[in-house]
Amino acid sequence: QVQVVQSGAEVKWPGSSVKVSCKASGGTFAGYSITWVRQAPGQGLEWMGRIIPLLGRTNYAQRFQGRVTITADKSPTTSTGYLELSSLRSEDTAVYYCARAPIVPAAKPFDSWGQGTMVTVSS
Amino acid sequence: DIQMTQSPSTLSASVGDRVTITCRASQSISGWLAWYQQKPGKAPNLLIYKASSLESGVPSRFSGSGFGTEFTLTISSLQPDDLATYYCQHYDGDWTFGQGTKVEI
Repeated sequence: QVQVVQSGAEVKWPGSSVKVSCKASGGTFAGYSITWVRQAPGQGLEWMGRIIPLLGRTNYAQRFQGRVTITADKSPTTSTGYLELSSLRSEDTAVYYCARAPIVPAAKPFDSWGQGTMVTVSS
Repeated sequence: DIQMTQSPSTLSASVGDRVTITCRASQSISGWLAWYQQKPGKAPNLLIYKASSLESGVPSRFSGSGFGTEFTLTISSLQPDDLATYYCQHYDGDWTFGQGTKVEI
């Protein structure tokens, strides 16, 4: 059973960038997409985007276009994905989740979900 | 873009009640609909996928139905442990979440 393990909590200044990683422990992301979701305190779940490492293709939610970059390591057995968010503001304070998901719709939306990474943006 | 609208936003019910949460899609999404339960401070927990398939380990009092644009999550007999926020999610590669329904007991 693959586990998705994310990097630790971050505290960032407004205007800076943050890069969060997620690793497929006991497996890889090859043949899957790496999907990122965030949740601000007291708010709902928000899909940010995804990457299909096999194709090198990314899709981003419109509201994050231009500020978010999702990448994955380029090894044949991709095991690590990254989310970078720039021009941080206080509203970006949230828990960021990574998931390993099927490339095309399958029975379940994902097969493994990370533990979450808290990003705090504060001066 | 497809929008997912849940109702109600908050629901107050008693232990033993039958509870129904509705999720509407702005256009047909076939059966690509999941439901999650989230408790405070925890990651979301998958309850239902493909509109009506119960995730392994989830109590049978949870059920899902619907196709196209209208979907429901039903808890047949509400238990104290069901205090949580519930989200619907459309998934077709990209994901879209509903805004959530908070269930109070």
